[in-house]
Amino acid sequence: AAGVIQSPRHLIKEKRETATLKCYPIPRHDTVYWYQQGPGQDPQFLISFYEKMQSDKGSIPDRFSAQQFSDYHSELNMSSLELGDSALYFCASSSNRAGTVNTEAFFGQGTRLTVV
Amino acid sequence: DQQVKQNSPSLSVQEGRISILNCDYTNSMFDYFLWYKKYPAEGPTFLISISSIKDKNEDGRFTVFLNKSAKHLSLHIVPSQPGDSAVYFCAAGASETSGSRLTFGEGTQLTVNP
Repeated sequence: AAGVIQSPRHLIKEKRETATLKCYPIPRHDTVYWYQQGPGQDPQFLISFYEKMQSDKGSIPDRFSAQQFSDYHSELNMSSLELGDSALYFCASSSNRAGTVNTEAFFGQGTRLTVV
Repeated sequence: DQQVKQNSPSLSVQEGRISILNCDYTNSMFDYFLWYKKYPAEGPTFLISISSIKDKNEDGRFTVFLNKSAKHLSLHIVPSQPGDSAVYFCAAGASETSGSRLTFGEGTQLTVNP
């Protein structure tokens, strides 16, 4: 079965550079979530989109922005990168309909971002 | 403010025995709960979920129990196998808004010894 696809798997950037992470959800999933996981930490929620609209926002820095496109894929844009942005970035997708209990979210393999 | 807490950072059990992983939450708005298994440098893998309208859900060797009054849930794995060794995350969500976040606990490292 198709899973959540993230690209690239690994990314090395210098401070103050920009990075774009891409996420392709499971087919027919309408919701995409972005999480950041630092070393030894639990995944921290950044932002989510439902039907191409932002649905929830967490601790996402102002330097970061994201969107969900008409084909439901999503991109996380990160500017003015800092050393502390080095982490695993996970995308997850699920199928949600308003008024129903959310179903489980399935995660991609993640993008390891290293800022040097 | 850690709304989902896994108080045991690690757990070690013998192969064939039961593994019990615990999770507590504070937010009364949470109405569905999930367990994920994670290997290093990989994404979390969904294991099992439970809605707040239930107190038990079973899938093969995995059973999740929910005690709403205590705001506590647990994952039972029986029998435990060496391949179960991984970090297990508890996650919780509120269904009132489509696309709302999952909040994760800190994780418990399970080691199953042959």
